[in-house]
Amino acid sequence: DAGITQSPRHKVTETGTPVTLRCHQTENHRYMYWYRQDPGHGLRLIHYSYGVKDTDKGEVSDGYSVSRSKTEDFLLTLESATSSQTSVYFCAIRGTSGDNEQFFGPGTRLTVL
Amino acid sequence: GENVEQHPSTLSVQEGDSAVIKCTYSDSASNYFPWYKQELGKRPQLIIDIRSNVGEKKDQRIAVTLNKTAKHFSLHITETQPEDSAVYFCAAGGNEKLTFGTGTRLTIIP
Repeated sequence: DAGITQSPRHKVTETGTPVTLRCHQTENHRYMYWYRQDPGHGLRLIHYSYGVKDTDKGEVSDGYSVSRSKTEDFLLTLESATSSQTSVYFCAIRGTSGDNEQFFGPGTRLTVL
Repeated sequence: GENVEQHPSTLSVQEGDSAVIKCTYSDSASNYFPWYKQELGKRPQLIIDIRSNVGEKKDQRIAVTLNKTAKHFSLHITETQPEDSAVYFCAAGGNEKLTFGTGTRLTIIP
């Protein structure tokens, strides 16, 4: 499983509250990604990181921010959660074979009431 | 940016028959095309991938074909088995990012 963990695995929160999801990897991968998965939409990229303090936006970045202060951790923050952000969030890392293969973490199910 | 379309959205086949899932992409700069399998409640798992300098790749019962001119690629599963039931996603991308299709729910009928 490429040494990827996500926390929490499940979270229920209320509209307007801040939420932070954590992705942790143990294999020193340079690239890390946050996706959300919703029925009918597949996996959509929120933000990604290509190194410590180096991040860029994906296709659905509005309402989300990220931080990467060390190689092993990539944090996704919802500053003020909305019901439309109810989703399953997957973190991924890019493998080290030189290609663009990505491996996913176990996911976090977030419900915003 | 890249746009990936995947068809069909659902597919049912008899056990032992073949299944084919098709994807098209828009960005001619894309050079990497992976396929993922996701079982219910699990993470997506990479099952096979192909690069733009190859037209076909096979791994046991699974094969992927790529037509760069037409910008489409396909997943072929032969001799389907009950454990092949899952949602399959295609993706296309370059050096940093992947864009995923919307998924195909494959059901194998015993």
